[in-house]
Formats: sequence, structure tokens, C-alpha cells
Amino acid sequence: AQSVAQPEDQVNVAEGNPLTVKCTYSVSGNPYLFWYVQYPNRGLQFLLKYITGDNLVKGSYGFEAEFNKSQTSFHLKKPSALVSDSALYFCAVRDPASNTGKLIFGQGTTLQVKP
Amino acid sequence: NAGVTQTPKFQVLKTGQSMTLQCAQDMNHEYMSWYRQDPGMGLRLIHYSVGAGITDQGEVPNGYNVSRSTTEDFPLRLLSAAPSQTSVYFCASSRSSSGRVYEQFFGPGTRLTVL
Repeated sequence: AQSVAQPEDQVNVAEGNPLTVKCTYSVSGNPYLFWYVQYPNRGLQFLLKYITGDNLVKGSYGFEAEFNKSQTSFHLKKPSALVSDSALYFCAVRDPASNTGKLIFGQGTTLQVKP
Repeated sequence: NAGVTQTPKFQVLKTGQSMTLQCAQDMNHEYMSWYRQDPGMGLRLIHYSVGAGITDQGEVPNGYNVSRSTTEDFPLRLLSAAPSQTSVYFCASSRSSSGRVYEQFFGPGTRLTVL
């Protein structure tokens, strides 16, 4: 069965420092992977996705993610964090064998960026 | 485009009451889905639809019904509300076509409390 794990409930980083939010997945075959962000009292917003090709994917707001097939990981990164990046981040996987578009989400990681 | 809209934003029900959460999208998306978000559990798929007249169950369908009579609307019905259904509910939609993978767009959510 497909699954996604975000091993950290919370990540704390100082403004200006690089940030990493971790995600690992379990799915048969080559996965489709997504990152979403949720600001307080809002819906989820799409950040980026990996379908195929270059392992480094660039997305919105300066975020990027690196797909690592051998480690079954898709960590979200940003070179220099902003206070406004503080939010809840979700990793999600879609089974490429499914034509239904169903996503399986991780439990979420709260990113706290301090001034 | 208004994107994905959900009504109501907040709702309080008593145990045993029924209600319908409304979801509409104006992007002509084929795929629509309902999730519930609970602390520490990420988003869990309740029901989804790949087009008008076609619906299927997700991870946690018990206690919920859906229908998809039009492309635009995808209401979620709680038949007899239970305290375990206290949650934040999100509707999402995306394009769906063979060979392409599209991100999902989320509504702002409905916060439901069942007493």
C-alpha cells in the first residue's frame, strides 16, 4: 500500500538560514510526488511536483525539492528561510498506476521561522 | 475564476443531525475529492469523483455520501452526524487526462463541530 511519512512534527529555523522539511514515501513503481503548504485557517496551496526527469524540482516562493529514488525521499528545501514561510507543509504521493488522481498525504510538518 | 468554493465556513451540529457541505468549482475540472483534516493525521480522502455521475470511496467513507450530478458541484452529505466527524473538511479539484499529472486545487475548508 502507498504511504507517505513526514518524520518531523515541527521544524524550527532562523530567518535567513536554509531549511529542509523531510518526506519519505512507499509506493510501487515510480511515484508522482507533491508538496503543499497550508497557512493558518486556509486551504492547501500547491508548491511543486515531481513526475519524471530532473531530480531537482523548483516550485513557488523559492522552494525546491529533491527526488531521491534510492532513499525513497522527496525533501523540501529553501536556501534562505523567511518568517512568512512559517506554515504547515504536506507531502503527498499519487500512485502512477492509478488513473483516479487520488493523493495520499503525510501527517504534515509545521515550519516555524524565527526572526 | 473563483476556483474552488465551499459553504458553509463553519457549522455546529448536534449528534444525529444531517447536513450537506457544498463544494463548487468553475475550472471545468473532471476530478473532485473530499478530505478531512484532523490534527497529526494529515488529510484523509473521504470520497472522490472522476467525472459527472461517477463517484468512489476513499480511505474514510463511512458516515458520508456524495453525488456528482454536474461537473461543477460535488456535495458531501453527513447522514447522521457523530462527534467523531468533528473535523475540517476540504474539497479539491483537478484536471484529469491520460498521460498528464495535474495538481489539485483546494477550497478554503469547512470547520465542522458535532456536539
